[in-house]
Amino acid sequence: DSGVTQTPKHLITATGQRVTLRCSPRSGDLSVYWYQQSLDQGLQFLIHYYNGEERAKGNILERFSAQQFPDLHSELNLSSLELGDSALYFCASSGGIDRFRDYGYTFGSGTRLTVV
Amino acid sequence: GENVEQHPSTLSVQEGDSAVIKCTYSDSASNYFPWYKQELGKRPQLIIDIRSNVGEKKDQRIAVTLNKTAKHFSLHITETQPEDSAVYFCAASSQSNDYKLSFGAGTTVTVRA
Repeated sequence: DSGVTQTPKHLITATGQRVTLRCSPRSGDLSVYWYQQSLDQGLQFLIHYYNGEERAKGNILERFSAQQFPDLHSELNLSSLELGDSALYFCASSGGIDRFRDYGYTFGSGTRLTVV
Repeated sequence: GENVEQHPSTLSVQEGDSAVIKCTYSDSASNYFPWYKQELGKRPQLIIDIRSNVGEKKDQRIAVTLNKTAKHFSLHITETQPEDSAVYFCAASSQSNDYKLSFGAGTTVTVRA
């Protein structure tokens, strides 16, 4: 157990639908990052939140949005789903920006999204 | 922003041989360089990291070297075993980029028995 919790582990949904993926960071970590990993692909950065604030956006589609709540958990919302959105979605957490407990990311186990 | 290039994209080695993966980075301010191992269908896991004030770090069969002047760093796996088969990602970060990790594209390592 990495300390980063992602739910659900698996999700199967139809095209056009909306889903919400949830991430609870490791205790004490302030930063949450979301990544998309399609089959045999690398880690595509989507978005970074630090202590409730959006810090950076990557290749995130307009149909996707995210937020980080006061308790530091984060949700990634994917809407108007397309077949091409099928992928593994990882969140990762780290100690923060101003004061680094450790530099590295700890990844959750991911949510495997299948759009049919 | 930071750009990390990783080579090779695939690597096949005989069990017992060594494997080397190389990465280059673009931002001279980068000062933290981790390596992640991802087994099929699982999460990436940190296996070793190095900071810019160190040139080499070793942990049992794995080692990482850093050349700040040339802006490249490498992962070395010695005496490879079948369980070393996985995808390996290098990454780099700097304070100027909010410590956000920029990942390489990954190297698929296959260890042949």
